[in-house]
Amino acid sequence: AAGVIQSPRHLIKEKRETATLKCYPIPRHDTVYWYQQGPGQDPQFLISFYEKMQSDKGSIPDRFSAQQFSDYHSELNMSSLELGDSALYFCASSTNTGREGETQYFGPGTRLLVL
Amino acid sequence: AQSVTQLDSHVSVSEGTPVLLRCNYSSSYSPSLFWYVQHPNKGLQLLLKYTSAATLVKGINGFEAEFKKSETSFHLTKPSAHMSDAAEYFCVVSAWMDSSYKLIFGSGTRLLVRP
Repeated sequence: AAGVIQSPRHLIKEKRETATLKCYPIPRHDTVYWYQQGPGQDPQFLISFYEKMQSDKGSIPDRFSAQQFSDYHSELNMSSLELGDSALYFCASSTNTGREGETQYFGPGTRLLVL
Repeated sequence: AQSVTQLDSHVSVSEGTPVLLRCNYSSSYSPSLFWYVQHPNKGLQLLLKYTSAATLVKGINGFEAEFKKSETSFHLTKPSAHMSDAAEYFCVVSAWMDSSYKLIFGSGTRLLVRP
């Protein structure tokens, strides 16, 4: 079965640079979520989109922005990168936002290293 | 506020012996609960979920979990550990926060399997 695809899988950037992470949800999934997992931490929710509109916002820094496109893929744009942004970034997808028990299916993650 | 507490940060078992990963939840109602597994440098994979149907939930790879309302627990078990089970396990609750349901992750339990 098709899974969530994330690209790139690994990314190395320097401080103050920008980065763009891409996420392709499971076919027919209309909701995308972004999470950040620091070293030894549990995943923290950043932001989500439903039908191309932002549906929820978590602890996403103002330096980050995201959007969902007409084909439901999503991009997380990160500017003025800081050392503390080094983390594993997960994308997850599901059908229908806002429903309890809705299963989120996670991608393999993009590992970002900021030097 | 809803939350999950994973009682052990590390669990070590011998191959072929039972696995018990403990999770307690805090919720004012019967929540939706999940267990996800994360292998080293991999994404999060759904093991199983509970959504107020049968209290004993069977998942993939021989894992199961029992929802016990009286104990507010959702412990993950497996009769016989395999070397490939070595990974980080997250207990997750779907919680109503800020006008939407969000996934709240426990701090994780690292399972070590000794030969």
